[in-house]
Amino acid sequence: DADVTQTPRNRITKTGKRIMLECSQTKGHDRMYWYRQDPGLGLRLIYYSFDVKDINKGEISDGYSVSRQAQAKFSLSLESAIPNQTALYFCATSDGTAKQFFGPGTRLTVL
Amino acid sequence: RKEVEQDPGPFNVPEGATVAFNCTYSNSASQSFFWYRQDCRKEPKLLMSVYSSGNEDGRFTAQLNRASQYISLLIRDSKLSDSATYLCVFEEDSNYQLIWGAGTKLIIKP
Repeated sequence: DADVTQTPRNRITKTGKRIMLECSQTKGHDRMYWYRQDPGLGLRLIYYSFDVKDINKGEISDGYSVSRQAQAKFSLSLESAIPNQTALYFCATSDGTAKQFFGPGTRLTVL
Repeated sequence: RKEVEQDPGPFNVPEGATVAFNCTYSNSASQSFFWYRQDCRKEPKLLMSVYSSGNEDGRFTAQLNRASQYISLLIRDSKLSDSATYLCVFEEDSNYQLIWGAGTKLIIKP
């Protein structure tokens, strides 16, 4: 079984809808991250969490919110989706070092 | 200047050849550097860390040049399975926030 899982894997939605992307991990890592990837750009950090009570904004947090429900779960929400949030979203974990382990990604399309 | 710059490629290379590509970074205080590999529509996976003295892992060699602020990746005896996008990554600060390059696409041809 995969160590980092993401659901859904693909989602098509309409402008203005609320969307939640979920991430679960069995690696036992405290640190979790949400990134988005767009063609021609590097991964950009949306939010990160170093433990259940710690949430931090990343480079591009506007339009997104997160919830760290447990050590193993970190959810990303788009409160009112817009077309320029169409992207590939990755969740990642780390064990306190700079090495990160990624989920398989969620491909989100906002029409 | 972008924080991380990579030639997007694609590099089209015959199987068995040696290929190398560089990545430049702008933050001279960066301490940790990595190469990740990303297959099409898949998640990035750590390929190797880059150490100051240079390091090798099988057919892969990574080097760091602090004076010129770049890292490099060399692949010897390239295989078809090496076809992927290679992402250059460095650690921005002590909170382990990573700064990612957009990647260099490598295509190995039979």
